[in-house]
Amino acid sequence: EVQLVESGGGLVQPGGSLRLSCTASGFTFSSYEMHWVRQAPGKGLEWVSYISSTASTIYYADSVKGRFTISRDNAKNSLYLQMNSLRAEDTAVYYCARNGYSGSYDAFAIWGQGTMVTVSS
Amino acid sequence: QAVLTQPSSLSASPGASASLTCTLRSGINVGTYRIYWYQQKPGSPPQYLLRYKSDSDKQQGSGVPSRFSGSKDASANAGILLISGLQSEDEADYYCVIWHSSAWVFGGGTKLTVL
Repeated sequence: EVQLVESGGGLVQPGGSLRLSCTASGFTFSSYEMHWVRQAPGKGLEWVSYISSTASTIYYADSVKGRFTISRDNAKNSLYLQMNSLRAEDTAVYYCARNGYSGSYDAFAIWGQGTMVTVSS
Repeated sequence: QAVLTQPSSLSASPGASASLTCTLRSGINVGTYRIYWYQQKPGSPPQYLLRYKSDSDKQQGSGVPSRFSGSKDASANAGILLISGLQSEDEADYYCVIWHSSAWVFGGGTKLTVL
């Protein structure tokens, strides 16, 4: 079964840091492009970051550029999001999502259940 | 002006059809974009429904019923998600997405009520 499981969320003070993880199973992780997407409480979805299968290409939303860093460890089937200088407006459920197979043009085809990040003093 | 604009809510009756629109900002030509659609029910992650660029460039998500389909209205510069034969289980939030200027952009979402 294809599965993505996020972890690492929690309560952090403004200005603090947090590292999210997403562990993949049921597919060849190293072959797939990955994303982080977030959803503030009661709000819509917001794309955060993208990483290619080999980590050679990375993109960030303007709202997190310079503060967040996406990375992956294909040997550990894991995706990460290092979040620094956190702000109240970063409070959200953070989802990891997988694209379709290479060349399919299917974006955000598989989603994890999400992990909650709360930035508050 | 937002890159993608979706109506905040839409209501339709069971068995009817619902047309959800995703309007691209003026100056962004809908014809050049693949538009992706997602469904999200309360307390659950989004699910991929389909993508549509043209009748020759489209893809249904795995296991997604054929009563969900995509199209475009070039005159309105909009992508459309058509749901036919509405069922109570279709009540959810629906989001459109495009790849624009080196970023993935989500629309604000439409809450579909089936009543």
